[in-house]
Amino acid sequence: GEDVEQSLFLSVREGDSSVINCTYTDSSSTYLYWYKQEPGAGLQLLTYIFSNMDMKQDQRLTVLLNKKDKHLSLRIADTQTGDSAIYFCAERPGNNAGNMLTFGGGTRLMVKP
Amino acid sequence: DSGVTQTPKHLITATGQRVTLRCSPRSGDLSVYWYQQSLDQGLQFLIQYYNGEERAKGNILERFSAQQFPDLHSELNLSSLELGDSALYFCASSVGSSRVDFGPGTRLTVL
Repeated sequence: GEDVEQSLFLSVREGDSSVINCTYTDSSSTYLYWYKQEPGAGLQLLTYIFSNMDMKQDQRLTVLLNKKDKHLSLRIADTQTGDSAIYFCAERPGNNAGNMLTFGGGTRLMVKP
Repeated sequence: DSGVTQTPKHLITATGQRVTLRCSPRSGDLSVYWYQQSLDQGLQFLIQYYNGEERAKGNILERFSAQQFPDLHSELNLSSLELGDSALYFCASSVGSSRVDFGPGTRLTVL
């Protein structure tokens, strides 16, 4: 079955880099996603990567994908207090009829001033 | 702003009641998905519609149903509500197989 795992909590100091990790089990995953959820808010799509890519960079965000180890990471450079939120990793399995996503449990990022 | 809209933002109702949640997808998106976010279950996929037709079904209870209309907006109907149905309900939309955007959610509280 499909399973996506994330660590629960990460704390960093403002200005440092944050690295949020995610592992998944479905080797046929086609796309992998990172979403951000602030308190009381919806899910904001940060970035997504196609499974044949190793890396994707978008301003302060860098996504690394190790398909062999089924490991995805999100690096946030120069982390700011406004980056404090819950970050969800999600995968779109490649063997289903629809495009539904399977989500990890979320990593709460706390940025200390 | 993702372009996906959901109404209402908040809904408070009693056990046994029925409610309807509404979603308008981002312009041009043909697929609509419904997800439930609760503290104990996390984000769970409920159901997907593509251009008016049911495409995939997840962990959706029989008391819940959905549909997608010709103008592509979608409604999620929740009936015989129980306390455990209290959650955030998200709608998402996509045009193809890559980008998936979520709406702001409807927070349902069942008392």
